[in-house]
Amino acid sequence: GNSVTQMEGPVTLSEEAFLTINCTYTATGYPSLFWYVQYPGEGLQLLLKATKADDKGSNKGFEATYRKETTSFHLEKGSVQVSDSAVYFCALSEGGGATNKLIFGTGTLLAVQP
Amino acid sequence: DAGVIQSPRHEVTEMGQEVTLRCKPISGHDYLFWYRQTMMRGLELLIYFNNNVPIDDSGMPEDRFSAKMPNASFSTLKIQPSEPRDSAVYFCASSMVGELFFGEGSRLTVL
Repeated sequence: GNSVTQMEGPVTLSEEAFLTINCTYTATGYPSLFWYVQYPGEGLQLLLKATKADDKGSNKGFEATYRKETTSFHLEKGSVQVSDSAVYFCALSEGGGATNKLIFGTGTLLAVQP
Repeated sequence: DAGVIQSPRHEVTEMGQEVTLRCKPISGHDYLFWYRQTMMRGLELLIYFNNNVPIDDSGMPEDRFSAKMPNASFSTLKIQPSEPRDSAVYFCASSMVGELFFGEGSRLTVL
């Protein structure tokens, strides 16, 4: 079945460092891909998404490119801030987005130190 | 819009008791999802509805769990009887097209 694998955390960085969180997926068909972020004590929020191969999603300085050849959707940010500390989830939608049913990775905790 | 509203935010109960979690989705959204989050298993989809009809409940762990959506603005997730291994954060999410909007979750502790 469909699945998402992301790098285990925690990832600890200093402020202004470069961030990469790896995500790979297994899916039949052409899923849409998402990154969600969860701040402490809150629900998940959509960070960015890409709906087809070679699409780049971007938001708040974060970027991820849908790579079909490597089945990857790695999250990057050039300069992290303390306020970016959160848990990041990679996800794919089954059914080509028609059902909105998302399969999530296990999440990666990011801790940014001043 | 107030977003997805869940209640209670925190629930502590004893093993064997019935637990009911509630969710009010965003108005106009036609999909509603119940997820469970634990350290061991991450985020698990329990069940989802489309236009108040359950579409896929394959993630419901066992018969002790049940979910209903009597109308477009309300859903419940019930656990009867509850067990310590049910302790988790339960999230409700709703969507119309594409993006899921999550509530803040209900943290359940079963002693």
